[in-house]
Amino acid sequence: NAGVTQTPKFQVLKTGQSMTLQCAQDMNHEYMSWYRQDPGMGLRLIHYSVGAGITDQGEVPNGYNVSRSTTEDFPLRLLSAAPSQTSVYFCASGGGWGEQFFGPGTRLTVL
Amino acid sequence: EDKVVQSPLSLVVHEGDTVTLNCSYEVTNFRSLLWYKQEKKAPTFLFMLTSSGIEKKSGRLSSILDKKELFSILNITATQTGDSAVYLCAVLMNYGGSQGNLIFGKGTKLSVKP
Repeated sequence: NAGVTQTPKFQVLKTGQSMTLQCAQDMNHEYMSWYRQDPGMGLRLIHYSVGAGITDQGEVPNGYNVSRSTTEDFPLRLLSAAPSQTSVYFCASGGGWGEQFFGPGTRLTVL
Repeated sequence: EDKVVQSPLSLVVHEGDTVTLNCSYEVTNFRSLLWYKQEKKAPTFLFMLTSSGIEKKSGRLSSILDKKELFSILNITATQTGDSAVYLCAVLMNYGGSQGNLIFGKGTKLSVKP
């Protein structure tokens, strides 16, 4: 049981480039979400999904897209990277009304 | 606006001390309150509290929720250097029928000196 996995672990982009952060879980959880963590700001919700084919915006969705074609995968797309998107990104999943499990994170730097 | 506030933001103690971390919240549709520990990587789950007044314990850590006064505390007794971490408080929102979202506080950074 791998839990929640994320790739890549580190990424450096130039302003204007696009990329996709990958997230997968093998716990058959319906709920998945993406957070960003910035110094002094805590974890802020970007997008979330309550099941395959269903996504919705969180607190800070601008500049990001998501899709949920399968229960297992929930990729996060940066359409045109900006320096303000430099952050650590965490994916999480949860089943029912229990705890949410976090992936190891992706550290993204946008130059 | 829904919010979760943790205090203090940082704390330095010596090994063996007892610490109390605070978390207050103002949210609509409260479901549960969760505590996580973060040590330079992904947050790891500590406790989930749903009912008032029922203490949850795990070793030297314990936590309790007061739904009337809208706060929770996390106690750590006989602290060790391995307890050094950021402790995150989060409220799980109830959207009725499906898993809700977590709203996090900014965390309390605990440093335990030998």
